[in-house]
Amino acid sequence: AQSVTQLGSHVSVSEGALILLRCNYSSSVPPYLFWYVQYPNQGLQLLLKYTTGATLVKGINGFEAEFKKSETSFHLTKPSAHMSDAAEYFCAVSASMDSSYKLIFGSGTRLLVRP
Amino acid sequence: EAQVTQNPRYLITVTGKKLTVTCSQNMNHEYMSWYRQDPGLGLRQIYYSMNVEVTDKGDVPEGYKVSRKEKRNFPLILESPSPNQTSLYFCASSLTRVQPQHFGDGTRLSIL
Repeated sequence: AQSVTQLGSHVSVSEGALILLRCNYSSSVPPYLFWYVQYPNQGLQLLLKYTTGATLVKGINGFEAEFKKSETSFHLTKPSAHMSDAAEYFCAVSASMDSSYKLIFGSGTRLLVRP
Repeated sequence: EAQVTQNPRYLITVTGKKLTVTCSQNMNHEYMSWYRQDPGLGLRQIYYSMNVEVTDKGDVPEGYKVSRKEKRNFPLILESPSPNQTSLYFCASSLTRVQPQHFGDGTRLSIL
C-alpha cells in the first residue's frame, strides 16, 4: 500500500526566495512519484514526475524535485519564487509494479508568495 | 484542443435524487479516473477505468457508480446522494498509467 505525507498545509515565502515543499511517501514497492499544481478554480496540472532513472527531475516553470529513496522523500524546490507560483501543490504516488491505476495524493500544501 | 470536459460545473440538489456527472475526453486516452477533493484531505480516488468495460474501485467508492461503455466517456453516478457526498469532483484521463493525467475543471456538488 502507498501513502503520502505533505508537511505543512500552508507555506509562505517572499518573492525571490527559495520554495521548498516537502513530500514523504510510503510504498512497499518502487514508487512512481508526481507533483501537481492547482490554481484557483482550476483542475490539476502536472509539474513533474519520477518513474525511473535520474533521481533529480526537472519540471515546468523552473520547478525540480529529487527522489531520495533512503529518506523516502520527493521534495519540490524552485530557486526563486514568483507571485504567479501562488497555488496549491499536491504530491502523489503510485506503485510501479501495480497493474492498476491507483494514485494516492497528499493533502496538499497551499503556497503563499509575499511581495 | 485536448481537453477533459465535465458537466455540470455546479449542482445543488437534494438527498436521494439520482444524479450523473458526465466526463468526456477527446485525446483517445485509455485511462480515466474520478476523484473527490475535500479541504485538508487532498484528492481521493473514487473509481478508475483502464479501458472500455474495465473499471475498478479507488479508495472511496462507496455511494458511487461508474461505467465505461465508450473510450471517451466515463460518467459518475450517484444513485442516492447524501450530504456527505458534497464535494468538488474531478475527472482525469491519461494515455498510459504513468503519463500525465489531464484534469477537467471540476464539478462542485452540494447535496442538501
